[in-house]
Order: sequence, then C-alpha cells, then structure tokens
Amino acid sequence: EPEVTQTPSHQVTQMGQEVILRCVPISNHLYFYWYRQILGQKVEFLVSFYNNEISEKSEIFDDQFSVERPDGSNFTLKIRSTKLEDSAMYFCASNRGIMNTEAFFGQGTRLTVV
Amino acid sequence: DQQVKQNSPSLSVQEGRISILNCDYTNSMFDYFLWYKKYPAEGPTFLISISSIKDKNEDGRFTVFLNKSAKHLSLHIVPSQPGDSAVYFCAARRAGANNLFFGTGTRLTVIP
Repeated sequence: EPEVTQTPSHQVTQMGQEVILRCVPISNHLYFYWYRQILGQKVEFLVSFYNNEISEKSEIFDDQFSVERPDGSNFTLKIRSTKLEDSAMYFCASNRGIMNTEAFFGQGTRLTVV
Repeated sequence: DQQVKQNSPSLSVQEGRISILNCDYTNSMFDYFLWYKKYPAEGPTFLISISSIKDKNEDGRFTVFLNKSAKHLSLHIVPSQPGDSAVYFCAARRAGANNLFFGTGTRLTVIP
C-alpha cells in the first residue's frame, strides 16, 4: 500500500540553525501538507501546497518557514533559524485533492532544538 | 482557537464493550469530518469520515455519527479490542479547503 515517507525520523539541531525536513508524498496525490504537534498538544496545520505553490498557510507558518517541491517526488519543509519552541513532531501529509478525500500522514520527524 | 474540541482526554473500556469517543466543533463552515487513530511515534492513520450531508457512516466495527444542529460527532467502536488502544483525533475541514483542524485527542485504552 502506498504511503507517505518522511526523513529523518529524528533531528536534533542547535538553536539558530537551519533544518530541512523531507517528505515523499504518495505519487498520484496532488495536495501536500505540513502539520506539527508540540508535545502534549493538538496536531496543528502549517501549510498546504498545490500546483507548485502554497495554497493555504496558518499563522504559525511565518517567514522562518518555507516549503519546496524540488523535484517530482520530494516535498520539503525548511526552518531557516530554529527556535526552542520549534521542537515538535512534524508530519507531512498528502491527498488526491478531490473533495472529501482523506489525507494520508507520514510517520513524522521529531525535531529537537537545543 | 479551539474550533474542534475533544473534551475527554482519556477513556477506558473493557474488551468487547462499546467505545464512544466524542467531538464538538464550533465552525459552521466545516462540512467534512474525519477520525484518525495515532500510535506513539507514528503519524495519524485515517479511520473513517463523514460528510455533512450525512448523519451516519459505518465501516466494520467503526461508526461515526454526526449531529449538525448540535455541532457534535461521535465515533463508536464495537466490539472494542485491545489493539484499538491508541489516541483518537477528530478532525474537520471547511468547505472549499483541504487543510484539517484537529481536536486534542482522546486516549482510548481497551482492557483485556
């Protein structure tokens, strides 16, 4: 069964450093997303991406964040200068984009900023 | 901004009995609702969904009920099995959008 894959599973970085989280969405999906879950809190939407551009973003997704689809398969989230409060599980998701279809999530990348 | 609320952080149920997980929402623009299940160190896994034009959707042991007037939905699992023990998230989507709003989750423990 096709699945969304994320790398790395765990990333530790120093405050102020740049990190890139990588995702390979399901191949015939058209919409891609990043969500995050801070420990003990709810899963929060960050950004959606369609047709090579951001379609929607939350207030969390400020200028420190960017997304890119550098080739036909990868979808990346870059945090330019990490802060302690960026420590969270980051989930990539994708769906076909047709209304009323579920999003499939990857297993997540645990980002720890020290 | 808690547009989707799950007021019970945890629920314990005996194996074989019914588990009922509840979810409330505030945004009347939501027209599609989903339940996800999450194990530790894994991403959310889709379970079942319901469109706002329906009031019930069933898939095997899982049934979701939607009460639009009360802005309430529930997930019924019957019979509950130990493997159902996980955190369950309710999620909702606005009409015309694709991003999801999640609740805070309910940890279900099914006791053998």
